Amino acid sequence: LAKITQPISMDSYEGQEVNITCSHNNIATNDYITWYQQFPSQGPRFIIQGYKTKVTNEVASLFIPADRKSSTLSLPRVSLSDTAVYYCLVGYLGNEKLTFGTGTRLTIIP
Amino acid sequence: KAGVTQTPRYLIKTRGQQVTLSCSPISGHRSVSWYQQTPGQGLQFLFEYFSETQRNKGNFPGRFSGRQFSNSRSEMNVSTLELGDSALYLCASSLRGLGAGNTEAFFGQGTRLTVV
Repeated sequence: LAKITQPISMDSYEGQEVNITCSHNNIATNDYITWYQQFPSQGPRFIIQGYKTKVTNEVASLFIPADRKSSTLSLPRVSLSDTAVYYCLVGYLGNEKLTFGTGTRLTIIP
Repeated sequence: KAGVTQTPRYLIKTRGQQVTLSCSPISGHRSVSWYQQTPGQGLQFLFEYFSETQRNKGNFPGRFSGRQFSNSRSEMNVSTLELGDSALYLCASSLRGLGAGNTEAFFGQGTRLTVV
C-alpha cells in the first residue's frame, strides 16, 4: 500500500494562495491522485484528480512532478469558507489498495 | 437532483448487537462504496458494489458486510458490534463505477455510529 504523508495543519490568510503537498513515495503505475475536501459532520467532497503533470479546474490546480512521488494541491485566493480538512488519496475509490492521507486541517484567518 | 442519502444520521448501539445502515445513491448512479472514518485510523475503504455485485473489499473482518439492491440502494451490516466499531460510516455513489481514471464520487453525510 502507498504510504501517504500530508502536513497535519496549515494556516493561511484570506486572499492568499495555499499549497498543500502530499508525499506518496511508493505510488503504483496505475494509481491516480485525488484530493477531497471535508467539512465537519459532512462527507468528503471531490476537488480534483490527476495522473501526471498539471490539472486545473474551476476551484483548484494539482501539480504532479514526473516521478509522481508527490503532488501539490493549489487553492487560489482562499476565503474563510475554505477552512476544512483536505485529504490526498492514492489509488482509486473502490479499490482495496486505496490509501487515504491523514488529512491536512486548513484554517483560513480573516 | 437529490444527493446521496444515508440513514440514520446517528445511532447508538450496545456491544454485541448488530446494525444495518442504509445508503441511497444519486439517481442513475450504479456504484456505491462504503468507508469508515475514525480519528485514529482516518478514512478506510470497506467495500464497493456495482450493479448488485461486490467488486472490491477492504481489509475489514467478516462482521462487516453489505449488499446492493436492484434500485442501487445499498445497505451495510455490522454484526457483533465492538467498541472499536464506533465511527462515522460514509457511503459514496458514482455514475460509471470506480476505477483507474475515475475517482470522482459523491459522498453522503454519513451515519455516526456509537457503540457503548
